Amino acid sequence: QVQLEESGPGLMQPSETLSLTCTVSGFSLTSNGVGWVRQPLGKGLVWMGTIWAGGSTNYNSAVQSRLSISRDTSKSQVFLKMNSLQPEDTGTYYCARPHINYYSGYYFDYWGQGVMVTVSS
Amino acid sequence: DIQMTQSPASLSASLEEIVTITCQPSQDIGNYLSWYQQKPGKSPQLLIHSATSLADGVPSGFSGSRSGTQYSLKINRLQVEDTGIYYCLQGYSAPYTFGAGTKLELK
Repeated sequence: QVQLEESGPGLMQPSETLSLTCTVSGFSLTSNGVGWVRQPLGKGLVWMGTIWAGGSTNYNSAVQSRLSISRDTSKSQVFLKMNSLQPEDTGTYYCARPHINYYSGYYFDYWGQGVMVTVSS
Repeated sequence: DIQMTQSPASLSASLEEIVTITCQPSQDIGNYLSWYQQKPGKSPQLLIHSATSLADGVPSGFSGSRSGTQYSLKINRLQVEDTGIYYCLQGYSAPYTFGAGTKLELK
């Protein structure tokens, strides 16, 4: 059974660095990637980046300079780090498993429950 | 970046009514389009991938189609449990972009 679970601090101060963990089960990080999606409060979904099965990453250019995604395959964990937080980074952060191939392109077949992050002084 | 224009932004429909939501990308994305349903306080759930393929476990009342560069999600015979916000996602090229969402309510 595929599962993803996000964890991390709920409240951050402006200029701090956010660290989130996505713990997965039911699949291997060496066979599947993990993506991160952000949803500002009351707004739509924004793809932030993906770490692929081979360990390479790609990021949304809107946050690329502040974002880092890494993993520990032995622990089945993927990490998101984003620095220089601002109030507009407030929202729910989801990790999700992407599926990608020639016929389907990229889509998410499983999602975590999300973790709410508030950036406020 | 590929922009996804989703319409309508909101929709109020009656039980058993047929509902259609559309997405139009700013450039060709082939069949690399997926649809998601999000209920309040919950994570999005995959409905359709590859523009027309129903995801595992999704009721057959949902269907996806493509006509040229316009993609549609159709809900046959709207049920109470179908209310929520629907998003499309283009999976053609990064940054992968979502439509702005369609809020579907019961009339």
